[in-house]
Amino acid sequence: DMKVTQMPRYLIKRMGENVLLECGQDMSHETMYWYRQDPGLGLQLIYISYDVDSNSEGDIPKGYRVSRKKREHFSLILDSAKTNQTSVYFCASSLHRSGNTLYFGEGSRLIVV
Amino acid sequence: KTQVEQSPQSLVVRQGENCVLQCNYSVTPDNHLRWFKQDTGKGLVSLTVLVDQKDKTSNGRYSATLDKDAKHSTLHITATLLDDTATYICVVGDRGSALGRLHFGAGTQLIVIP
Repeated sequence: DMKVTQMPRYLIKRMGENVLLECGQDMSHETMYWYRQDPGLGLQLIYISYDVDSNSEGDIPKGYRVSRKKREHFSLILDSAKTNQTSVYFCASSLHRSGNTLYFGEGSRLIVV
Repeated sequence: KTQVEQSPQSLVVRQGENCVLQCNYSVTPDNHLRWFKQDTGKGLVSLTVLVDQKDKTSNGRYSATLDKDAKHSTLHITATLLDDTATYICVVGDRGSALGRLHFGAGTQLIVIP
């Protein structure tokens, strides 16, 4: 069963705290993504990972970092969360050679107060 | 600048009616276009992908068209059901591999009422 799993689904953090969002996929996809979705905007790419330890910045990487030590796991880290990082974060994965096929997780809703 | 514009922003239809969602884009090159359905509080689920210069696809009650000359796509939903209530998102890819970038529209919120 092809699936992208995100944890946690909901999170409330205080400004300045660290945040770890985790994503797993069971399809052996090389490429994984982190997006954020805000009202009235299309999904914005934060980071893309082409494989283990092969990560590239997306369009809005500032304030975020990522880690990919195993092909099936891709983590998004916020060091010292800010209120403007309140958002819904989506992880996705795809086969490298067919990036037009994306599988999305169900999202992690982060509130920073 | 937004490169993928969807209209209308929101739409209310009665169950059983048909509806058409629009997507205009300025992404270049435009390798493919995909429509996703996003239920409230859920992830995006692919409905269909269009690839050819002038393309048409059909997936049950969903059908879509793409005209790359006009940089325009439509998503038709026939005989809407209450479960069609969702946000529909148009995504344009500038390449066919993961090396390309995906450009997301903000979505059309469809509400189907009894």
